[in-house]
Amino acid sequence: DVVMTQSALSLPVTLGQPASISCRSAQSLVHSDGNTYLNWFHQRPGQSPRRLIYKVSNRDSGVPDRFSGSGTGTDFTLKINRVEAEDVGVYYCMQGTHWPITFGQGTRLEIK
Amino acid sequence: EVQLVESGGGLVKPGGSLRLSCAASGFTFSSYTMNWVRQAPGKGLEWVSSITGNSTYIYYADSLKARFTVSRDNAKNSLYLQMNSLRAEDTSVYYCAGGNQIRFWGQGTLVTVSS
Repeated sequence: DVVMTQSALSLPVTLGQPASISCRSAQSLVHSDGNTYLNWFHQRPGQSPRRLIYKVSNRDSGVPDRFSGSGTGTDFTLKINRVEAEDVGVYYCMQGTHWPITFGQGTRLEIK
Repeated sequence: EVQLVESGGGLVKPGGSLRLSCAASGFTFSSYTMNWVRQAPGKGLEWVSSITGNSTYIYYADSLKARFTVSRDNAKNSLYLQMNSLRAEDTSVYYCAGGNQIRFWGQGTLVTVSS
């Protein structure tokens, strides 16, 4: 199984400041079809997860443009330009390149 | 609007069985791989199983393969998870999730395994 490691379990951020969440995979996530199936999800307390970013850097519809994703191969980053109160919760990376699908352990973003 | 509505969760004794259902609407159900993902209380997300649109390919988490069975009925736009020999560690919210790269999620159904 491809282990996904999010380096920070907790990320305290001041409102209006930027935030960065990293995710590393134990092996390359480049699929034989040329795509890299690395996705980011956000889960607010008491809610279902919501996908924010797919294939590394593509924002889902309705996702504010303060969210961006980047990375290649085994190292990936989710960035939030200016954190807002509604951004609190847990962020998960997920790889869909290799079976089985695996998730990172999650990074909890909280407001300082 | 895409909707995924899970049902069938509840309290079950260790060793018991439960069948979860997921009713899908708002998209062409038969065209997409569907998934079950679970989340134990206070823990992270754990992928359980996936089934392709025409049920040709089915995948399970290794640790669950012998006890869980996923199926779908495209005529009914429904996804199922048959869970047998349930254990305390199976206690989780079970999410039905679908679309390419798990685009859509249901609200989840809680399964509690306890005597």
